[in-house]
Amino acid sequence: DSGVTQTPKHLITATGQRVTLRCSPRSGDLSVYWYQQSLDQGLQFLIQYYNGEERAKGNILERFSAQQFPDLHSELNLSSLELGDSALYFCASSPDMNTEAFFGQGTRLTVV
Amino acid sequence: AQTVTQSQPEMSVQEAETVTLSCTYDTSESDYYLFWYKQPPSRQMILVIRQEAYKQQNATENRFSVNFQKAAKSFSLKISDSQLGDAAMYFCVLFSNSGYALNFGKGTSLLVTP
Repeated sequence: DSGVTQTPKHLITATGQRVTLRCSPRSGDLSVYWYQQSLDQGLQFLIQYYNGEERAKGNILERFSAQQFPDLHSELNLSSLELGDSALYFCASSPDMNTEAFFGQGTRLTVV
Repeated sequence: AQTVTQSQPEMSVQEAETVTLSCTYDTSESDYYLFWYKQPPSRQMILVIRQEAYKQQNATENRFSVNFQKAAKSFSLKISDSQLGDAAMYFCVLFSNSGYALNFGKGTSLLVTP
């Protein structure tokens, strides 16, 4: 158990819908990362927050957004969902920005 | 730009044998970190080993060790006394302070046979 909690574990939804994925980082970790893992694209970095502030953006679509709250948990919002958004979404946390990250179990999103 | 290349999509090793997974990377940074993560069928992403670029000594964690060649930008993972539980996808990962994010290679799928 990495100490990073992601909910829900599985999510099935229809095209055009909006979903919210939640991540609770390890106790004391200030940095949260979101990654998307699909079969054809591998692991893609989406976005990073550090102590509530956005620090880096990767290949995140405009339909996606995220935030980190004062209690350091983070949410990833995915809207106008398309079939191609089906993937495993990982959250990871680290104490600061230059150490290894610990990953949650992921949320498996299926868009039908 | 930072890139990580794993040229072996699949590898196979017999139980109790040793296997080496290859990784090359490219970065213009002088301060960076390299990791190996494993992803078993459960899909959990698990940190295996970490190497700081400023350290010349190769990292070791029990049966796992790395061969870090900074000039060649090479970072291979050696698994000794392979066990069935080592079967997983292994990712080579680069992190630099200026890049913020972890950069993953495409992964090497390791099969362990009895």
